[in-house]
Amino acid sequence: EPEVTQTPSHQVTQMGQEVILRCVPISNHLYFYWYRQILGQKVEFLVSFYNNEISEKSEIFDDQFSVERPDGSNFTLKIRSTKLEDSAMYFCASKEGTDTQYFGPGTRLTVL
Amino acid sequence: GESVGLHLPTLSVQEGDNSIINCAYSNSASDYFIWYKQESGKGPQFIIDIRSNMDKRQGQRVTVLLNKTVKHLSLQIAATQPGDSAVYFCAENRAGGTSYGKLTFGQGTILTVHP
Repeated sequence: EPEVTQTPSHQVTQMGQEVILRCVPISNHLYFYWYRQILGQKVEFLVSFYNNEISEKSEIFDDQFSVERPDGSNFTLKIRSTKLEDSAMYFCASKEGTDTQYFGPGTRLTVL
Repeated sequence: GESVGLHLPTLSVQEGDNSIINCAYSNSASDYFIWYKQESGKGPQFIIDIRSNMDKRQGQRVTVLLNKTVKHLSLQIAATQPGDSAVYFCAENRAGGTSYGKLTFGQGTILTVHP
C-alpha cells in the first residue's frame, strides 16, 4: 500500500540554524500539507500546497518557513533560523483530490 | 506560568468491550470529518470519515456518528483490542471557498485497552 515517507526521523539542530525536512508524498497525489505537533498537544496545520504554490497557510507559518516541491516526488519544509519553540513533530500529508489526507510518520525536530 | 501541554481525556476499557470516543467541533461550516488514530511516535493513521450529509457511517469494527444539531462526533469501536490502544483525534474540514483541505484537529482522547 502506498504511503507518505519522511526523512529524517529525528533532527537535532542548534538555535538559529536552518533545517530542511523532507517528504515524499504518495505518487498520484496533488495536494500536499505540513502539520506540526508540539509534545502532548494537538496536531496543528501549517501550510497547504497545490499546483506548485502555497494555497493556504496558518499564522504559525511566518517568514522563517518555506515549502518547495523541487522535483516530481519530494516536498520539503525549510525553517531558516530555528527557534527553541520550533521543537515539535512535523508531519507531511498528501491527498489525491478527495478529502482523505494520509500522513507520514513524522520528523521529530529538536532545537537546542 | 509556563504551559506544559494539555491534559487529554482518557478512556480505559477491557479487551472485548465496546469503546465510544467523543468529539465536539465548533465550526458549523465544516462539512467533512475524519477520525485518526495516533500510536506513540507515529503519524496520524486514517480510520474513518463522514460527510455532513450523513449521520452515520460504518467501517470494519468502527462506526462514526455525526450530530450536526449539537456539533458532536463520536467514534465507536466494537470488540476493542489491545492494539486499539492509542490517541484518537477527530478532525474537521470546511470544503469549498478558499479551503484546500486544511484539517483542524481536536484535542485527542487516550484510549487504553486492558487485556
